[in-house]
Amino acid sequence: GAGVSQSPSNKVTEKGKDVELRCDPISGHTALYWYRQSLGQGLEFLIYFQGNSAPDKSGLPSDRFSAERTGGSVSTLTIQRTQQEDSAVYLCASSFSWGVYQETQYFGPGTRLLVL
Amino acid sequence: RKEVEQDPGPFNVPEGATVAFNCTYSNSASQSFFWYRQDCRKEPKLLMSVYSSGNEDGRFTAQLNRASQYISLLIRDSKLSDSATYLCVVNQDTGRRALTFGSGTRLQVQP
Repeated sequence: GAGVSQSPSNKVTEKGKDVELRCDPISGHTALYWYRQSLGQGLEFLIYFQGNSAPDKSGLPSDRFSAERTGGSVSTLTIQRTQQEDSAVYLCASSFSWGVYQETQYFGPGTRLLVL
Repeated sequence: RKEVEQDPGPFNVPEGATVAFNCTYSNSASQSFFWYRQDCRKEPKLLMSVYSSGNEDGRFTAQLNRASQYISLLIRDSKLSDSATYLCVVNQDTGRRALTFGSGTRLQVQP
């Protein structure tokens, strides 16, 4: 079946502009995660959605970052007034559910964001 | 101290060699552990979960030492295709419902 998809695959923007990144999780997966990965670094957790529960936003680095998940499926990560330090690969992952033991997360190919 | 620490490498080994990576984690309440593999400019993919009793999948063996708070990955008979970055991943069970990733250990298998 189809995996996690993300769009766009690459985005170049000017400092100060807003960007929207999209994630389509695997059908039937209730949990959705956003991470970002800067060059040569590990993955940094941003936000987590689980079903209809309130999202865990504890990883968002500033109030310029926000995310929505509509209808329990597609998610959009929005970065307002982008800064050069926002340049990174933004990865989305989904899993079937979340319990005491973490379900396997499946990652999308990522969106490479470059802020000039 | 980082929550999950790994030696960044690179580990340069010849084909057929055995190589081992260690990873330490800071939260003793961590519940579950994984190794992910990430190829250059690709997304991470699950390599294997790590169980308390240790587990093996073909040429790959994972071990967990809760007392010392480290996990290990052993790769036997290295192949060129094993060249990648190996990410140590921990569910820290701090209420944050996401995984904590190490920065990765880069492996380069040479002919």
